Amino acid sequence: AQSVTQLGSHVSVSEGALVLLRCNYSSSVPPYLFWYVQYPNQGLQLLLKYTTGATLVKGINGFEAEFKKSETSFHLTKPSAHMSDAAEYFCAVSDGNFNKFYFGSGTKLNVKP
Amino acid sequence: EAQVTQNPRYLITVTGKKLTVTCSQNMNHEYMSWYRQDPGLGLRQIYYSMNVEVTDKGDVPEGYKVSRKEKRNFPLILESPSPNQTSLYFCASRGMGGGTEAFFGQGTRLTVV
Repeated sequence: AQSVTQLGSHVSVSEGALVLLRCNYSSSVPPYLFWYVQYPNQGLQLLLKYTTGATLVKGINGFEAEFKKSETSFHLTKPSAHMSDAAEYFCAVSDGNFNKFYFGSGTKLNVKP
Repeated sequence: EAQVTQNPRYLITVTGKKLTVTCSQNMNHEYMSWYRQDPGLGLRQIYYSMNVEVTDKGDVPEGYKVSRKEKRNFPLILESPSPNQTSLYFCASRGMGGGTEAFFGQGTRLTVV
């Protein structure tokens, strides 16, 4: 079975600072990796995904993530945080068995003025 | 517009009173699923369906039922709700293939008193 670990349930950054949200996964096969964002009182929205090819993936709102197979990681970054980035972020993995996503427990991002 | 629609968005009910949360998608997706979201636990899959009349248990199926009589609809049924089913529920759909992303509904916040 797959598992996804997100280090840090809460992360706080200042506006304009680098955002780094960590995600590590366990997988016995090459995974498909996803980051979702959840704004208050809303559903989950896809930020970006890795399937095959280039390991640095760019998503919406200036976010990007890099798949590092040797580290089994898929960390999410954004060079400069904006107040509107305050939300909860979920990392997810799919192992190609299409019936299931495995979600991490989420990281709440707080952006300070 | 591609979307997953859940109803109702908010529901307060009493212990033991049967309820149904509806879910409908307009993307002709084969795969649909239900999740519950609880603080610190991320999203846990309740049930999923890979096509009409094909359903299976997820990680936390106890106390829930589902049906898939039509491709677009996947209702979640609580025959006898209990307070421990107070949670935020999400319906999701996706196409076939491990690299396809899931599309989520807006969520249903259920309170059982």
